[in-house]
Amino acid sequence: GEDVEQSLFLSVREGDSSVINCTYTDSSSTYLYWYKQEPGAGLQLLTYIFSNMDMKQDQRLTVLLNKKDKHLSLRIADTQTGDSAIYFCAESIPGGYNKLIFGAGTRLAVHP
Amino acid sequence: EAGVTQSPTHLIKTRGQQATLRCSPISGHTSVYWYQQALGLGLQFLLWYDEGEERNRGNFPPRFSGRQFPNYSSELNVNALELEDSALYLCASSLSDNYEQYFGPGTRLTVT
Repeated sequence: GEDVEQSLFLSVREGDSSVINCTYTDSSSTYLYWYKQEPGAGLQLLTYIFSNMDMKQDQRLTVLLNKKDKHLSLRIADTQTGDSAIYFCAESIPGGYNKLIFGAGTRLAVHP
Repeated sequence: EAGVTQSPTHLIKTRGQQATLRCSPISGHTSVYWYQQALGLGLQFLLWYDEGEERNRGNFPPRFSGRQFPNYSSELNVNALELEDSALYLCASSLSDNYEQYFGPGTRLTVT
């Protein structure tokens, strides 16, 4: 079935690393995504990973994929107050006709 | 490069009326997607248009419909509005058969 789960809230201190976790149920997922949503705004595509990869790094962002456990994580190094937002994990599945399945989102709060 | 644009930003309607939401994709993108972000229900896929054709539809009633124009812009129409249609409606675009979906800022529809 199609289901993506995330913890709802994460609080970190400025300068620390943040790790946002996500689990998905469809083992045939092809791409897994991280989107960021700031208050009152749309979704910003941060990064994505193809299912045959286990890691992708892009500046301060590191995505880890454990396909066996169907677990995806997003690590943000040196977290800043500007990183405060809701982070959505999403998957696309073959034959899903480009439909993205989103998790409920993790609210990241960065405090000084 | 201009991103995905949506209009109007806000729309207030009364129950039973019709709403029309508009979306202009990123230049060169031929696919347009519509998602609903309702409080408590998360982000749900509504519709996908590509090259003027409806390619996929989410689990929404037929009163949610849309179309894509020759210039690849799109309209989402919601007929016989119900209170639970109040939500942020997000449009995304991508190249055809490409998994990178870029989102607009959304239209907030309020039904009273």
